Amino acid sequence: QVQLQESGPGLVKPSETLSLTCSVSGGSISGYSWSWLRQPPGKGLEWLGYISDTRGTHYNPSLKSRITMSLNTSTRQFSLNLSSVTAADTAVYYCARENERHCAPNTCSRPFDYWGQGTLVAVSS
Amino acid sequence: DIQMTQSPSSLSASVGDRVTIACRASENISRFLNWYQQKPGKAPELLIYAATSLQSGVPARFSGSGSGTDFTLTISGLQPEDFATYYCQQTYSVRTFGQGTKVEIK
Repeated sequence: QVQLQESGPGLVKPSETLSLTCSVSGGSISGYSWSWLRQPPGKGLEWLGYISDTRGTHYNPSLKSRITMSLNTSTRQFSLNLSSVTAADTAVYYCARENERHCAPNTCSRPFDYWGQGTLVAVSS
Repeated sequence: DIQMTQSPSSLSASVGDRVTIACRASENISRFLNWYQQKPGKAPELLIYAATSLQSGVPARFSGSGSGTDFTLTISGLQPEDFATYYCQQTYSVRTFGQGTKVEIK
């Protein structure tokens, strides 16, 4: 069974960099893309970006200047760095697997089929 | 970005009811549409992918329909464990979600 687990600081100061890591167990890293999403308290879901198993990245344009992702296949971890954070970046951050192999006839809709439990990151001085 | 609009934003229903949630895309997304269920304090879980395909392990009372810009999630025979918030998500371009539909107990 595939499991994902986020880790990192729960509190980050304004203007600093938010750094999180997601550890993957129970399945292959290869053949999938690895995503970060977030959910501000009481609000909806926002996709931040993904890194593929070949380390190609695709970021949400709304964050493109502040976000970087990396992948370490030997440790089975991928990471998120979000710079210059403000209070608006306070959210539960989720890592998830985007499955490009999850296809119906004529459509591979790349759903998020496994998620971490989420970690709350607050931005405050 | 493609905007996803769900309706209603919330609804009250009873156990056994048939519930329908609509999701509209701001442009044609073919069938690049997934549905998720989220319970309080938990991560979302995949219900439906490619608009109509049931994720393994999800009860058959959940079904999805639609293509293009208009999609529907139906729960046929609401169960106590189905009270949750439901999100649609498009993967045609930059991934975006609907604002969510909260299903509450009447």
